[in-house]
Amino acid sequence: EVQLVESGGGLVQPGGSLRLSCAASGFTVSHNYMSWVRQAPGKGLEWVSIIFSGGDSFYADSVKGRFTLSRQNFDNTLDLQMNSLRPEDTAVYYCVRAYCSSAGCYPWYFDLWGQGTLVTVSS
Amino acid sequence: QSALTQPPSASGSPGQSVTISCTGTTSGDYKYVSWYQQHPGKVPRLIIFEVSKRPSGVPDRFSGSYSGNTASLTVSGLRAEDEAAYYCFSYIGNNEGVFGGGTKLTVL
Repeated sequence: EVQLVESGGGLVQPGGSLRLSCAASGFTVSHNYMSWVRQAPGKGLEWVSIIFSGGDSFYADSVKGRFTLSRQNFDNTLDLQMNSLRPEDTAVYYCVRAYCSSAGCYPWYFDLWGQGTLVTVSS
Repeated sequence: QSALTQPPSASGSPGQSVTISCTGTTSGDYKYVSWYQQHPGKVPRLIIFEVSKRPSGVPDRFSGSYSGNTASLTVSGLRAEDEAAYYCFSYIGNNEGVFGGGTKLTVL
């Protein structure tokens, strides 16, 4: 079955760190464009970061310099290392795969979403 | 920083059509617009990509268009199950993307 399963969320104090993981099954992470999207409680969606199939990663201004996106080809997972966390980082974090068709893959269209993992930054 | 503006709410009666707009606040190329549907407590679903294309399985009641700096999503033949939040998203250059604030669609 093609799916994404996130883990690693929880409660962390402001200034703390957390590492989210995303396990993919049914496809190969390194062959796809992968992103993280977050949603604060009761709020809208916010794009956080993307990693291209070539390995380069990019970030929203709101997390640049604090978050690092990486992937582990040996176990087909994606990790989001989050440092210097702030209360405004509180959200459900979704791992997302970009859409691919017979015409190719489109890095900025998100067609497969995990169920999300909740990160709460609070003292 | 570019942003995408959506109306917070929209509504229509069953069978009617409703259009949701998504306006870029800066001039630019917004042709890489996609739309997502999210029911309460559920994961978002891609319904439109590249302005007007539908992934397999999305009904043709959903259509997208683009003019100037505004993308639009039209839902025709409204059904009760279309009641959801709808988000536009666009690549804005410099390897970054942005979501609109979302529109809650109510089927009356």
